[in-house]
Amino acid sequence: NAGVTQTPKFRVLKTGQSMTLLCAQDMNHEYMYWYRQDPGMGLRLIHYSVGEGTTAKGEVPDGYNVSRLKKQNFLLGLESAAPSQTSVYFCASTVNTGELFFGEGSRLTVL
Amino acid sequence: AQSVTQPDIHITVSEGASLELRCNYSYGATPYLFWYVQSPGQGLQLLLKYFSGDTLVQGIKGFEAEFKRSQSSFNLRKPSVHWSDAAEYFCAVGRDDKIIFGKGTRLHILP
Repeated sequence: NAGVTQTPKFRVLKTGQSMTLLCAQDMNHEYMYWYRQDPGMGLRLIHYSVGEGTTAKGEVPDGYNVSRLKKQNFLLGLESAAPSQTSVYFCASTVNTGELFFGEGSRLTVL
Repeated sequence: AQSVTQPDIHITVSEGASLELRCNYSYGATPYLFWYVQSPGQGLQLLLKYFSGDTLVQGIKGFEAEFKRSQSSFNLRKPSVHWSDAAEYFCAVGRDDKIIFGKGTRLHILP
């Protein structure tokens, strides 16, 4: 049972490049979340989804886009990466705002 | 605005001493409440959660938390800490489909 899988786990980008982080869960969870973790800032919610085809903005959505075309997948996109987006990104899923199941994280560096 | 506050950025306690980590929230109604722990370089693990009912919640690893509605608090406690408890602890609240985290408290253990 894989749980929540994030790919890639590491990525280095140059300013202005684009990329997509993929989150896949095999637990049939309706709710999925993308967070970024920065030292001293905790986890900040970027975007979330309450079901297939739905997305909503979190605390820090600017510069990011998301899509939930399939229930098991939640994609986080950066259209034009900036150094301020250097962070560790965590995806998580849950049944109904209950216990979050986290992926292992994706470390992104923007030069 | 909805918020989660962990007033203490760092806490240092001696091994065997008791521990209390503070968490306050600002929401219009009682949210779901959680405590997570993150060891260095690791993902997040759920310690305990409160949805309703008994305001004293027992969790894993000997932790407990008490929900106090009048104080909008959900403080985490442990009677006797072990060196392996050194980690970062996050309080989180769930409401209106969002799950928001505090900035975390880093726990240091003195031998």
